[in-house]
Amino acid sequence: EIVMTQSPATLSVSPGESTTLSCRASQSVGSNLVWYQQKPGQAPRLLIYGASTRATGIPARFSGSGSGTEFTLTISSLQSEDFAVYYCQQYNNWPRTFGQGTKVEIK
Amino acid sequence: QVQLVQSGAEVRKPGASVKVSCKASGYTFSTSSMHWVRQAPGQGLEWVGWINAGNGDTKYSQKFQGRVTITRDTSASTAYMELSSLTSEDTAIYYCMKDGDVWGQGTTVTVTS
Repeated sequence: EIVMTQSPATLSVSPGESTTLSCRASQSVGSNLVWYQQKPGQAPRLLIYGASTRATGIPARFSGSGSGTEFTLTISSLQSEDFAVYYCQQYNNWPRTFGQGTKVEIK
Repeated sequence: QVQLVQSGAEVRKPGASVKVSCKASGYTFSTSSMHWVRQAPGQGLEWVGWINAGNGDTKYSQKFQGRVTITRDTSASTAYMELSSLTSEDTAIYYCMKDGDVWGQGTTVTVTS
């Protein structure tokens, strides 16, 4: 199965700053990658699909890039509601696999 | 709007089975697929399996092969996930997820003696 590795495990960021999260696949997944955001006590929410396309209603400060094995999620000018855990997931191969998550916390 | 509503929390003893439902609305159920994902307390997301709601084809994580069965009832626009031979390691929130874009609210399954 494809192993998805996210880094770092935790990011400490000040509101208003920008930050970049990384996701690496153990083999190529093309552009078949999504990013989810999860806040405490809530179900995950789709942010990005196709590695770089924002889902409906997702603010433009969220952007995704990459293909093959290396992907990034950039959040520009972090807002208070952006502090959460972010997961990448590949949907190129079965089984679908998630990264272990990156927690973005307030510095 | 698209909505997935899952059944309520469950408590089971080790060795028992549990069946969680996920009722869909706001779209044509049979033209989509449904994934099941679980999250153990304080842990990340783990993919369990998938069903093509149209033809009933399924895929399962090898980890759960033989213990999990995903089915659907197109007339009720509902997907089901049944997990058997439960252990304490199966204590988690179980989510259904449509095509990767919309998630149910989650169902807490607690396995305790």
